[in-house]
Amino acid sequence: EVQLVESGGGLVQPGGSLRLSCAVSGFIVSSNYMTWVRQAPGKGLEWVSVIYSGGSTYYADSVKGRFTISRDNSKNTLYLEMNSLRVEDTAVYYCARDSAALKDWGQGTLVTVSS
Amino acid sequence: SYELTQPPSVSVSPGQTARITCSGDALPKKYAYWYQQKSGQAPVLVIYEDSKRPSGIPERFSGSSSGTMATLTISGAQVEDEADYYCYSTDSSGNYVFGTGTKVTVL
Repeated sequence: EVQLVESGGGLVQPGGSLRLSCAVSGFIVSSNYMTWVRQAPGKGLEWVSVIYSGGSTYYADSVKGRFTISRDNSKNTLYLEMNSLRVEDTAVYYCARDSAALKDWGQGTLVTVSS
Repeated sequence: SYELTQPPSVSVSPGQTARITCSGDALPKKYAYWYQQKSGQAPVLVIYEDSKRPSGIPERFSGSSSGTMATLTISGAQVEDEADYYCYSTDSSGNYVFGTGTKVTVL
Protein backbone atom coordinates (compact mmCIF):
# COMPACT_ATOMS: atom_id res chain seq x y z
CA GLU A 1 0.00 0.00 0.00
CA VAL A 2 1.29 3.44 -0.94
CA GLN A 3 1.53 5.92 1.95
CA LEU A 4 3.00 9.40 2.23
CA VAL A 5 3.15 10.93 5.70
CA GLU A 6 4.24 14.53 6.20
CA SER A 7 5.60 15.87 9.46
CA GLY A 8 7.58 18.79 10.79
CA GLY A 9 5.01 21.53 10.55
CA GLY A 10 4.35 23.96 13.37
CA LEU A 11 4.50 27.56 14.50
CA VAL A 12 7.59 29.56 13.59
CA GLN A 13 8.46 33.24 13.73
CA PRO A 14 9.09 35.28 10.59
CA GLY A 15 12.68 34.80 9.48
CA GLY A 16 12.84 31.37 11.06
CA SER A 17 13.46 27.94 9.59
CA LEU A 18 11.66 24.62 9.46
CA ARG A 19 12.28 21.27 7.84
CA LEU A 20 9.35 19.23 6.58
CA SER A 21 9.60 15.49 6.08
CA CYS A 22 7.54 13.17 3.90
CA ALA A 23 8.02 9.53 4.86
CA VAL A 24 7.08 7.20 2.05
CA SER A 25 6.13 3.54 1.96
CA GLY A 26 4.99 1.43 -0.98
CA PHE A 27 7.38 2.87 -3.56
CA ILE A 28 10.95 4.12 -3.82
CA VAL A 29 11.33 7.88 -3.52
CA SER A 30 14.57 8.03 -5.49
CA SER A 31 12.99 6.26 -8.48
CA ASN A 32 10.14 8.73 -8.73
CA TYR A 33 9.56 12.42 -9.30
CA MET A 34 8.39 14.01 -6.04
CA THR A 35 6.55 17.27 -5.57
CA TRP A 36 5.66 19.68 -2.76
CA VAL A 37 2.40 21.62 -3.01
CA ARG A 38 1.03 24.10 -0.50
CA GLN A 39 -2.31 25.68 0.27
CA ALA A 40 -2.71 28.85 2.30
CA PRO A 41 -5.80 28.99 4.54
CA GLY A 42 -8.88 29.51 2.38
CA LYS A 43 -6.78 29.80 -0.78
CA GLY A 44 -5.99 27.67 -3.80
CA LEU A 45 -3.25 25.14 -4.44
CA GLU A 46 0.25 26.39 -5.17
CA TRP A 47 3.05 24.31 -6.67
CA VAL A 48 6.22 24.72 -4.57
CA SER A 49 8.98 22.41 -5.78
CA VAL A 50 9.86 19.19 -7.59
CA ILE A 51 12.80 16.83 -7.47
CA TYR A 52 13.31 14.48 -10.40
CA SER A 53 14.62 10.95 -10.11
CA GLY A 54 17.93 12.13 -11.58
CA GLY A 55 18.24 14.72 -8.82
CA SER A 56 17.34 17.91 -10.69
CA THR A 57 15.32 20.35 -8.64
CA TYR A 58 12.97 23.21 -9.52
CA TYR A 59 11.22 25.82 -7.42
CA ALA A 60 8.39 28.30 -7.63
CA ASP A 61 9.63 31.88 -7.86
CA SER A 62 7.97 32.62 -4.51
CA VAL A 63 10.30 30.23 -2.66
CA LYS A 64 13.42 30.16 -4.84
CA GLY A 65 16.56 30.80 -2.82
CA ARG A 66 14.78 30.14 0.48
CA PHE A 67 13.49 26.55 0.18
CA THR A 68 15.46 23.41 -0.66
CA ILE A 69 13.96 20.08 -1.69
CA SER A 70 15.97 16.93 -1.05
CA ARG A 71 15.63 13.23 -0.32
CA ASP A 72 17.29 10.59 1.83
CA ASN A 73 17.37 7.33 -0.09
CA SER A 74 18.27 5.27 2.98
CA LYS A 75 15.18 6.53 4.79
CA ASN A 76 12.96 6.68 1.68
CA THR A 77 12.02 10.18 2.77
CA LEU A 78 11.50 13.49 1.00
CA TYR A 79 12.34 16.80 2.67
CA LEU A 80 11.63 20.49 2.28
CA GLU A 81 14.06 22.76 4.08
CA MET A 82 12.45 26.18 4.54
CA ASN A 83 14.52 29.22 5.53
CA SER A 84 13.78 32.93 5.87
CA LEU A 85 10.14 32.12 6.39
CA ARG A 86 7.55 34.80 5.77
CA VAL A 87 3.99 35.26 6.98
CA GLU A 88 2.83 34.44 3.45
CA ASP A 89 4.42 30.99 3.68
CA THR A 90 1.69 30.00 6.13
CA ALA A 91 -0.04 27.02 4.54
CA VAL A 92 -0.72 23.32 4.60
CA TYR A 93 2.15 21.62 2.83
CA TYR A 94 1.53 18.42 0.90
CA CYS A 95 4.00 16.02 -0.63
CA ALA A 96 2.95 14.06 -3.69
CA ARG A 97 4.31 11.37 -5.98
CA ASP A 98 5.20 12.34 -9.55
CA SER A 99 5.46 15.79 -11.06
CA ALA A 100 2.30 16.18 -13.11
CA ALA A 101 -0.08 13.25 -12.63
CA LEU A 102 -0.04 13.49 -8.83
CA LYS A 103 -1.92 10.32 -8.00
CA ASP A 104 -0.64 9.83 -4.44
CA TRP A 105 -0.70 12.56 -1.78
CA GLY A 106 0.05 12.87 1.89
CA GLN A 107 -2.44 14.28 4.36
CA GLY A 108 -0.52 17.55 4.69
CA THR A 109 1.26 19.35 7.51
CA LEU A 110 0.41 22.88 8.67
CA VAL A 111 3.09 25.54 8.79
CA THR A 112 2.19 28.77 10.55
CA VAL A 113 4.54 31.74 10.32
CA SER A 114 3.61 34.35 12.89
CA SER A 115 5.12 36.50 15.58
CA SER B 1 4.62 34.51 -14.35
CA TYR B 2 2.46 31.94 -16.10
CA GLU B 3 -1.20 31.78 -15.12
CA LEU B 4 -4.01 29.31 -15.64
CA THR B 5 -7.38 31.01 -15.40
CA GLN B 6 -10.57 29.28 -14.24
CA PRO B 7 -14.05 30.62 -13.45
CA PRO B 8 -14.44 31.11 -9.68
CA SER B 9 -17.64 29.11 -9.48
CA VAL B 10 -19.94 26.84 -11.44
CA SER B 11 -23.39 25.74 -10.32
CA VAL B 12 -25.26 22.73 -11.68
CA SER B 13 -28.40 20.81 -10.84
CA PRO B 14 -28.05 17.12 -9.99
CA GLY B 15 -27.97 15.04 -13.16
CA GLN B 16 -27.00 17.97 -15.35
CA THR B 17 -23.64 18.67 -17.00
CA ALA B 18 -21.01 20.93 -15.49
CA ARG B 19 -18.15 22.30 -17.57
CA ILE B 20 -15.10 23.92 -16.03
CA THR B 21 -12.67 25.76 -18.26
CA CYS B 22 -8.96 26.45 -17.83
CA SER B 23 -7.23 29.00 -20.00
CA GLY B 24 -3.48 29.23 -20.50
CA ASP B 25 -1.16 30.31 -23.29
CA ALA B 26 1.00 27.17 -23.13
CA LEU B 27 -1.89 24.69 -23.23
CA PRO B 28 -1.60 24.10 -26.99
CA LYS B 29 1.77 22.44 -26.26
CA LYS B 30 1.37 21.24 -22.66
CA TYR B 31 -0.93 18.70 -21.07
CA ALA B 32 -3.61 19.69 -18.60
CA TYR B 33 -4.34 17.78 -15.41
CA TRP B 34 -7.39 18.18 -13.20
CA TYR B 35 -7.69 17.78 -9.44
CA GLN B 36 -10.74 17.56 -7.22
CA GLN B 37 -10.44 18.77 -3.63
CA LYS B 38 -13.17 18.32 -1.07
CA SER B 39 -13.18 20.35 2.11
CA GLY B 40 -10.41 19.37 4.51
CA GLN B 41 -9.00 16.69 2.22
CA ALA B 42 -5.99 16.29 -0.01
CA PRO B 43 -6.58 16.76 -3.74
CA VAL B 44 -7.48 13.81 -5.96
CA LEU B 45 -6.40 13.45 -9.59
CA VAL B 46 -9.48 13.07 -11.82
CA ILE B 47 -8.02 13.67 -15.30
CA TYR B 48 -4.45 13.45 -16.59
CA GLU B 49 -2.84 14.24 -19.94
CA ASP B 50 -5.87 16.27 -21.06
CA SER B 51 -8.39 13.45 -21.26
CA LYS B 52 -7.27 10.28 -19.50
CA ARG B 53 -9.12 9.07 -16.45
CA PRO B 54 -7.28 7.32 -13.59
CA SER B 55 -8.64 4.03 -12.36
CA GLY B 56 -11.40 4.48 -9.83
CA ILE B 57 -12.59 7.83 -11.20
CA PRO B 58 -16.23 7.68 -12.39
CA GLU B 59 -16.87 7.79 -16.13
CA ARG B 60 -18.92 10.97 -15.71
CA PHE B 61 -15.61 12.85 -15.45
CA SER B 62 -14.04 13.66 -18.82
CA GLY B 63 -11.48 16.11 -20.14
CA SER B 64 -10.62 17.79 -23.39
CA SER B 65 -8.27 20.45 -24.66
CA SER B 66 -8.32 22.71 -27.69
CA GLY B 67 -6.01 25.61 -28.34
CA THR B 68 -5.42 27.62 -25.19
CA MET B 69 -8.33 26.11 -23.29
CA ALA B 70 -8.75 22.85 -21.42
CA THR B 71 -12.14 21.71 -20.17
CA LEU B 72 -13.26 19.35 -17.43
CA THR B 73 -16.78 18.02 -17.93
CA ILE B 74 -18.89 16.33 -15.30
CA SER B 75 -21.77 14.60 -17.10
CA GLY B 76 -24.68 13.85 -14.82
CA ALA B 77 -23.26 15.65 -11.80
CA GLN B 78 -23.87 14.09 -8.41
CA VAL B 79 -24.13 15.78 -5.04
CA GLU B 80 -20.85 14.13 -4.06
CA ASP B 81 -19.09 15.97 -6.92
CA GLU B 82 -19.44 19.23 -5.02
CA ALA B 83 -15.84 20.34 -4.49
CA ASP B 84 -13.11 22.69 -5.64
CA TYR B 85 -11.50 21.78 -8.95
CA TYR B 86 -8.05 22.85 -10.11
CA CYS B 87 -6.34 22.51 -13.46
CA TYR B 88 -2.56 22.02 -13.48
CA SER B 89 0.04 22.28 -16.19
CA THR B 90 3.52 23.53 -16.99
CA ASP B 91 4.86 26.69 -18.52
CA SER B 92 7.41 26.83 -21.31
CA SER B 93 10.25 26.69 -18.74
CA GLY B 94 9.03 23.46 -17.18
CA ASN B 95 7.73 24.99 -13.97
CA TYR B 96 4.37 23.73 -12.81
CA VAL B 97 1.35 25.86 -11.98
CA PHE B 98 -2.15 25.32 -10.65
CA GLY B 99 -5.16 27.11 -11.99
CA THR B 100 -7.05 29.63 -9.90
CA GLY B 101 -9.63 27.03 -8.88
CA THR B 102 -13.36 26.59 -9.44
CA LYS B 103 -15.92 25.87 -6.76
CA VAL B 104 -18.56 23.50 -8.11
CA THR B 105 -21.93 23.58 -6.39
CA VAL B 106 -24.48 20.86 -7.09
CA LEU B 107 -27.99 21.88 -6.04
